[in-house]
Amino acid sequence: NAGVTQTPKFQVLKTGQSMTLQCAQDMNHNSMYWYRQDPGMGLRLIYYSASEGTTDKGEVPNGYNVSRLNKREFSLRLESAAPSQTSVYFCASSGSRKETQYFGPGTRLLVL
Amino acid sequence: EDKVVQSPLSLVVHEGDTVTLNCSYEVTNFRSLLWYKQEKKAPTFLFMLTSSGIEKKSGRLSSILDKKELFSILNITATQTGDSAVYLCAVGSGGGADGLTFGKGTHLIIQP
Repeated sequence: NAGVTQTPKFQVLKTGQSMTLQCAQDMNHNSMYWYRQDPGMGLRLIYYSASEGTTDKGEVPNGYNVSRLNKREFSLRLESAAPSQTSVYFCASSGSRKETQYFGPGTRLLVL
Repeated sequence: EDKVVQSPLSLVVHEGDTVTLNCSYEVTNFRSLLWYKQEKKAPTFLFMLTSSGIEKKSGRLSSILDKKELFSILNITATQTGDSAVYLCAVGSGGGADGLTFGKGTHLIIQP
């Protein structure tokens, strides 16, 4: 039982490049989330998915797209990376108690 | 806009001391308040509080919520070096996104 897994763990991009961050959970949770964490800013919600086939914007969605591929997987795409997107990205999932979220280990992204 | 404020932002104490971390909030349609511990990587769930005045305990950690005054405290007694971490407070609300609104965290350092 791996919980929430994320790939890659670390990535360096040049400005304008694109990439997809992958997230998977094996807890049969309906809800999945993407957050970013910046120094002094706490965790901020980018997008979430309340169930398979649905996605909604969070607090800071600009510059990102998401796909809820199936119940297990929720990916985050940066179409044209910018230095302001340098951050640590966390994926999370939750079951019937939506507030109790379980976090993945994070992806550290550096955009040059 | 939902808001969660934690204090202090950082705290250094000696092993064996007792610490109290504070979290105040302003949210629409409050549902719950959660505490997470973040060491090097992913936040890990500590407590979820939904009712005023009911203390939640887990070993040396305890937490209580005051919904009238809109705050919560997290107490750690007989601190150990392994308690060194960032403690995050988050609030789940019924308005808008399903995700949590996080405070900036309290960075707690326990010195031997």
